[in-house]
Amino acid sequence: GAGVSQSPRYKVAKRGQDVALRCDPISGHVSLFWYQQALGQGPEFLTYFQNEAQLDKSGLPSDRFFAERPEGSVSTLKIQRTQQEDSAVYLCASSLWGSNQPQHFGDGTRLSIL
Amino acid sequence: GENVEQHPSTLSVQEGDSAVIKCTYSDSASNYFPWYKQELGKRPQLIIDIRSNVGEKKDQRIAVTLNKTAKHFSLHITETQPEDSAVYFCAARLSNTGNQFYFGTGTSLTVIP
Repeated sequence: GAGVSQSPRYKVAKRGQDVALRCDPISGHVSLFWYQQALGQGPEFLTYFQNEAQLDKSGLPSDRFFAERPEGSVSTLKIQRTQQEDSAVYLCASSLWGSNQPQHFGDGTRLSIL
Repeated sequence: GENVEQHPSTLSVQEGDSAVIKCTYSDSASNYFPWYKQELGKRPQLIIDIRSNVGEKKDQRIAVTLNKTAKHFSLHITETQPEDSAVYFCAARLSNTGNQFYFGTGTSLTVIP
């Protein structure tokens, strides 16, 4: 595709439910990043993939957060037993190779936990 | 993030004037510094970036300067236009943590026509 695609754009869930957010990176981009952006703040790093390998997950806030990229293209960020503090915009970005290359962002998924 | 500080948080300028946004970082080994523009409800878009082996980079009305000794870098927008109004984020790749990027808290720029 022409750019990074994320779905859904908006997600409303009740506290305690599980959610799954999808990211389709730019074709051929090896590196994929997930960020969490709270209102009025900058994106905060969650995790990084190089192809299918999750090389860095140090930013995931708890073990309720899980990300995967099984075939080295599409990635899914899953949040189990959601809590109100999980409400944020979740951004996905991809780059050609590595983290010192320009990252191209998707439009994000706005997650609201009721 | 705590590793990147950005100032000011808000900035208003008259159309045609210049705008300057500054960021400082903590890790002297940081080597890649992009700037992103984010309009309300939209994705962050890369507008310019600089690597640690150069001190300045320009692209039309936008320039970025890097002072490695002082560990700060700045975004300069000249001849501002109303469409420059947005939130601007700086970021730094902290090389000693591998692949993590830390973003500043953002500067909301308003260009007054």
